[in-house]
Amino acid sequence: DAGITQSPRHKVTETGTPVTLRCHQTENHRYMYWYRQDPGHGLRLIHYSYGVKDTDKGEVSDGYSVSRSKTEDFLLTLESATSSQTSVYFCAISDSRTGPSSYEQYFGPGTRLTVT
Amino acid sequence: AQSVTQLDSQVPVFEEAPVELRCNYSSSVSVYLFWYVQYPNQGLQLLLKYLSGSTLVESINGFEAEFNKSQTSFHLRKPSVHISDTAEYFCAVSLPRDYKLSFGAGTTVTVRA
Repeated sequence: DAGITQSPRHKVTETGTPVTLRCHQTENHRYMYWYRQDPGHGLRLIHYSYGVKDTDKGEVSDGYSVSRSKTEDFLLTLESATSSQTSVYFCAISDSRTGPSSYEQYFGPGTRLTVT
Repeated sequence: AQSVTQLDSQVPVFEEAPVELRCNYSSSVSVYLFWYVQYPNQGLQLLLKYLSGSTLVESINGFEAEFNKSQTSFHLRKPSVHISDTAEYFCAVSLPRDYKLSFGAGTTVTVRA
């Protein structure tokens, strides 16, 4: 298994509170991603990073921000959580330095977030 | 932009029967294609991929998928399923030099004895 951990694994929070999810990798991979998984939607990309301090938006970025100050850590922040952000959040990594196979992404175990 | 359609949301199947999961994509350029599997309460695992070369790709646990460029499809098949194949399966596509995946909505396979 790729060395990816996510913390916390479960969180319940109230509407309007800030929440930060952490993704940590030990693979020294360049690319890191945050997805949310909701029934009927598959996985949708929130934000991704292609290097330290280099990030870009995905298809569902509204209400989320990210930061990457070290290669191994990618943080996802919900500035003011809403009930629509109740979801399972997955982090993924890939390494763009190794040719076509680098398009493979490796996923963490997920964080189940409930906003009440 | 590319998109992925998985034509079946639920596929019930009996043990030792064959199964086919359908995936179609839309793109005006060449793509890379993937199937991922998610077992209950776990993350996603790569099942197989098409990057180039032979259009028929196989996984180590008996699944295979065939890339059909003219039909823009990448259907997943297994000739004989086991109870342990119960999972959700996701088709995904990436564009060369894009390094982002677009996922289908997923197909839940339930294998019954």
